Amino acid sequence: QVQLVQSGAEVKKPGASVKVSCRASGYTFTGYYMHWMRQAPGQGLEWMGWINPHRGGTEYEQRFQGRVRMTRDTSINTVYMELRSLRADDTAIYYCASRSDGQNDAFDAWGQGTMVTVSS
Amino acid sequence: DIVVNQSPDSLAVSLGERATISCKASQSVLDSSNNKNDLAWYQQKPGQPPKLLIYWTSIRESGVPDRFSGSGSGTDFTLTINSLQAEDVAVYYCHQFYSTPYSFGQGTKLEIK
Repeated sequence: QVQLVQSGAEVKKPGASVKVSCRASGYTFTGYYMHWMRQAPGQGLEWMGWINPHRGGTEYEQRFQGRVRMTRDTSINTVYMELRSLRADDTAIYYCASRSDGQNDAFDAWGQGTMVTVSS
Repeated sequence: DIVVNQSPDSLAVSLGERATISCKASQSVLDSSNNKNDLAWYQQKPGQPPKLLIYWTSIRESGVPDRFSGSGSGTDFTLTINSLQAEDVAVYYCHQFYSTPYSFGQGTKLEIK
């Protein structure tokens, strides 16, 4: 079955960087874009961008431009999301998600989430 | 950018009754290439990632009970939950995937009255 497994929780200081991984299995990893969302405590979902695992192309939400970088390693079916210059308001659960059959971008596969805490 | 607004923010409904959640997009999400509205609904329970319920306005994801239904077109959409069950307590989000940056509604918290 389709599975997205993310790396574990992180605690970072303001100004540091964090890199979250998302390993896919059960479908054609290079076939469909992988998206990243985040959810601050008690808040809604915020779309951050996507990466094309096949060619590596990316698109980022403008508010994250210059601070976020999404990459992939096709040899291990894994995508990464790196966020730099962390601030307290980056504290959130970060999710990877995809559409496992490529029909559209309604996400039927989600990672379990990675909690990133930014605190001095 | 498309802004998506949900209403109400919270809702309390008795078991067995109907719950209705509205979602309004700031511009049409109708994809003229396939005549489908790029609008989805998710259910999120505490400590879990969102779960896709409905996509393209009204198509239920595999395994989703038929008491969940979606309707609407263009900019106005509705999620209806008939015969509310205890396990339906959750936060519900609408999501437009018509154009990037993709956007979600702020969420509607559904509780039992």
